[in-house]
Formats: sequence, structure tokens, C-alpha cells
Amino acid sequence: AQSVTQLDSHVSVSEGTPVLLRCNYSSSYSPSLFWYVQHPNKGLQLLLKYTSAATLVKGINGFEAEFKKSETSFHLTKPSAHMSDAAEYFCVVSEAGGFKTIFGAGTRLFVKA
Amino acid sequence: KAGVTQTPRYLIKTRGQQVTLSCSPISGHRSVSWYQQTPGQGLQFLFEYFSETQRNKGNFPGRFSGRQFSNSRSEMNVSTLELGDSALYLCASRTSTSGGAVNEQFFGPGTRLTVL
Repeated sequence: AQSVTQLDSHVSVSEGTPVLLRCNYSSSYSPSLFWYVQHPNKGLQLLLKYTSAATLVKGINGFEAEFKKSETSFHLTKPSAHMSDAAEYFCVVSEAGGFKTIFGAGTRLFVKA
Repeated sequence: KAGVTQTPRYLIKTRGQQVTLSCSPISGHRSVSWYQQTPGQGLQFLFEYFSETQRNKGNFPGRFSGRQFSNSRSEMNVSTLELGDSALYLCASRTSTSGGAVNEQFFGPGTRLTVL
């Protein structure tokens, strides 16, 4: 069975400092992993995806994530936070075999000026 | 290409009523999924349709149902509404899987349902 755990419900950083949003997953098959962002009163937007190619995945707006199979992790990072990054971030796992998609509980990112 | 569209955007119903929500996927996308988003439960998978067939279903009661038409447009229906059904209902579409990997989903803006 697949599952995904976002280790922090809230993360607060200062503008210009690094961002780390943590995600662990469990999957019976080779998973496809995604990070989505949801700004207030907006729909979900794809940040990046891992689909068994390069383990370091680069996404939009300077975000990247590293797939670590041994640690079953897919943490999202950004070198320097911007005020516009304040939003909720979701780690997502999908299995081609089951076609089921599981969302993490979300991490709300706060960026202080 | 136009994005995923959902109608209506906002809906207010009373307990016991039924409601139908509509979703038009991106052109060429044959997979449509539905999700319920609430502050307490987060994003929960309802069901996925592909080529008019329900391919997977989440853990929701039978009051929640859906269907997909030959043009890939999808509807979901909730019968006998309860207060707890108040939520943002999101629809997402994607192309079919490729080489064992699952393609990303593209989300619509959602339908905000309020049950009084």
C-alpha cells in the first residue's frame, strides 16, 4: 500500500533563506512522485515530478527535490525563499499499477520579511 | 490549450438535497480524477475515470458517484447532502501513463460547495 507523510505541517523561514519541506513515502511499486503548490484561493499547480529518471529534479520557481530510495524521501528545497513562495505545498505519490493518487497532508510555508 | 474547467465555481445547498458538479478536462486528456479538500481532512481522492470507466475509487460512501462521457467530460454527484460534505471539490485531468510512470495531473479551480 502506498502512503505519503509530510513531516512538518508548518514551516516558517525568512525571505532570502533556504527552504526545506520534508516528505517521506511508502510504495509497493516504483512510484511517481510530485510536489504541488496551492496559493490561497487558487487551484493546485505542479512544481516538479519524479518519474524514475534523474534523482535530482528541478522544478519551477527555483524549487528542486531529490529522490532518495534508500531513505524513501522526496524533500523539496529552494536556496532562497521569496515572499511569493508563501503557500501550501503537497507531496504526492502515484503508482501506475493501482492508478491511485495519494496526497500528503500538506505543509504551509510562511515567509517573513 | 484551455485548462481544466469546473462548473459551477460556488454552490450553496441544504441538507438532504443532491448536487451535480461538472468538469471539462484539457483537450486530449482521457483521465479525470475528483478530490475533496477540507481543512480537517486535507485532500482526499474520490475517484478516477478513464475512457468512461471508473478506474479507481477512494473511501467515500455510495452517496458520492461520478461518470464520464465519451468526450471525457465528467460529472460527480452527491446525493442526500450532509453538513460534512461542505468542501472544495477539485477535478484534475491527465494523459494516460507512459512507460510505467504516471503523468502529472492538471487541476481545475474547484467548486466550493457549502451545505447549510
